[in-house]
Amino acid sequence: GIQVEQSPPDLILQEGANSTLRCNFSDSVNNLQWFHQNPWGQLINLFYIPSGTKQNGRLSATTVATERYSLLYISSSQTTDSGVYFCAVDHYGNNRLAFGKGNQVVVIP
Amino acid sequence: EAEVAQSPRYKITEKSQAVAFWCDPISGHATLYWYRQILGQGPELLVQFQDESVVDDSQLPKDRFSAERLKGVDSTLKIQPAELGDSAMYLCASSLVAGNPNTEAFFGQGTRLTVV
Repeated sequence: GIQVEQSPPDLILQEGANSTLRCNFSDSVNNLQWFHQNPWGQLINLFYIPSGTKQNGRLSATTVATERYSLLYISSSQTTDSGVYFCAVDHYGNNRLAFGKGNQVVVIP
Repeated sequence: EAEVAQSPRYKITEKSQAVAFWCDPISGHATLYWYRQILGQGPELLVQFQDESVVDDSQLPKDRFSAERLKGVDSTLKIQPAELGDSAMYLCASSLVAGNPNTEAFFGQGTRLTVV
């Protein structure tokens, strides 16, 4: 199956700092989503981004499908940004998502 | 705001007992998924439904796990008997259009299962 690798696995940020999370995938994809898992375990949709660039407030994402990677940018980080960020891809076009292991982000005040 | 509903939020059960989880997808979503997330890992797909039919259960341990979506709306995932290794977060997700690969999946809050 398709391999999804996220880096860095762990990140500690000072509040107000910017950061970039990376997702590499081993094959072509039909769909790519970024999620934030909150401390209670729920996966919150951040972006549906099989290609191109999108922005939502302090977050933005870019997927370069031809080079098989996606980036999630967090600007002016806040403590509420803490949690695990997951990249998930659909390789076969059947909506079945394959997840990476996540980026654990801790924002300290 | 439409959301995927799951219950219970938390479940503690003894090994060898039966346990069941319930999921109600976003209204109108034809596709429903059950994922399992082990601590420190990303979620992994267990089963996918299209309306009431199973389209993929290749990763479902069928000797002890079963899933159904009888009327094509809500779904139940059952484990019998539960084993210590089943302790995990069980996540339900749904997506809108059947047969369209370019649709976004939405997840419920999950059921955190602890087997003792």
